[in-house]
Amino acid sequence: AQTVTQSQPEMSVQEAETVTLSCTYDTSESDYYLFWYKQPPSRQMILVIRQEAYKQQNATENRFSVNFQKAAKSFSLKISDSQLGDAAMYFCAYRRGGGGADGLTFGKGTHLIIQP
Amino acid sequence: DGGITQSPKYLFRKEGQNVTLSCEQNLNHDAMYWYRQDPGQGLRLIYYSQIVNDFQKGDIAEGYSVSREKKESFPLTVTSAQKNPTAFYLCASRESYNEQFFGPGTRLTVL
Repeated sequence: AQTVTQSQPEMSVQEAETVTLSCTYDTSESDYYLFWYKQPPSRQMILVIRQEAYKQQNATENRFSVNFQKAAKSFSLKISDSQLGDAAMYFCAYRRGGGGADGLTFGKGTHLIIQP
Repeated sequence: DGGITQSPKYLFRKEGQNVTLSCEQNLNHDAMYWYRQDPGQGLRLIYYSQIVNDFQKGDIAEGYSVSREKKESFPLTVTSAQKNPTAFYLCASRESYNEQFFGPGTRLTVL
């Protein structure tokens, strides 16, 4: 079975600074997708960024970027120029590739605090 | 506006009662999902459905049941067999090869 591990229960960063959230995963599959979701206090799950395992290039979305190390099974999220609105729970998630409807496997999350 | 709706937002249940959580989507997505979230935990998959009239158990299906009679709807029933049903429940849907979109969630509390 696939597992996703987030080793940082909580992180704190000063506004405008850069922070990196860690995620490791375990799978025997070669085709899969990785995601970072944000859950603000409203509890709405919001997709931040996704990475296809077959792509060597790291995904970026504005201030958010990932460092995908396939051999090490590591998938960290970097947030640049942190803003107060970035404060939330962040979840790393995995999904097997292929045409099936498999659900996501989530890590336990990292609570990100932004200090003004 | 396309999206996923869940109702009610808050739900209270007495022990021993079954309760049904609603999930509707107008995104024309084939696949739908139910997740459970407990404090300090990530989301865990309860059930999922790839097409109408078909669904599969997830990691924590015991004490839950679902139906998928229409493409737009995927209700979840929490039965009296679920020993610890108090949790936050999230519904999601997905178009093939794309990411999942989530509803706003239902907070279930057993009194």
